[in-house]
Amino acid sequence: QLQLQESGPGLVKPSETLSLTCTVSGDSVSSRSYYWGWIRQPPGMGLEWIGSIYYSGSTYYNPSLKSRVTLSVDTSKSQFSLKLSSVTAADTALYYCARIAALSTWFDPWGQGTLVTVSS
Amino acid sequence: QSALTQPASVSGSPGQSITISCTGTSSDVGNYNLVSWYQQHPGKAPKLMIYEVTKRPSGVSNRFSASKSGNTASLTISGLQAEDEADYYCCSYAGNLWVFGGGTKLTVL
Repeated sequence: QLQLQESGPGLVKPSETLSLTCTVSGDSVSSRSYYWGWIRQPPGMGLEWIGSIYYSGSTYYNPSLKSRVTLSVDTSKSQFSLKLSSVTAADTALYYCARIAALSTWFDPWGQGTLVTVSS
Repeated sequence: QSALTQPASVSGSPGQSITISCTGTSSDVGNYNLVSWYQQHPGKAPKLMIYEVTKRPSGVSNRFSASKSGNTASLTISGLQAEDEADYYCCSYAGNLWVFGGGTKLTVL
């Protein structure tokens, strides 16, 4: 059964870089049928797509975050990662990773999410 | 790319039907038959309920149906049950990017 698990620091200081990793079990991040993506949800608010990455390394970013976001994939570890630079309190959110169907573009499954708080 | 527009809240009594709208633009909802819908219960990750505008994944109740007309997609839940109370989000592919709706809180009265 496919599972995704986010990991990384739960507290990041303002102006620093947020780094998260999503470990995939039960499937391969090298699959040509899927993208792998990050979505965030500020407390009490809605979902925001951050970016998606293909096994080849092709990346697609939310234009509003593009200047600060970097996604990468490590097929040997079955992981993909998110880096968000110059964070502020507005980046405090529950961060989810998810598999994305390449043709149908749906997100499923999702990881359980990890809360990242930006605070000094 | 702006978020898709959803009503903040809808409500209905058990057994009734409700519809949640999701309005985008000709760059997203109107240009692709790639709208999906997600259900999120408090403290849980979103769950895929509908994909490619009208299709239900295996295991999703046939009480959930969806459609699209122009730049607006809609999710209909018939025979409302208490367990349907949750937040619902639409999402559209928009050409190498994805955009979510702001979410709709469904209350089952």
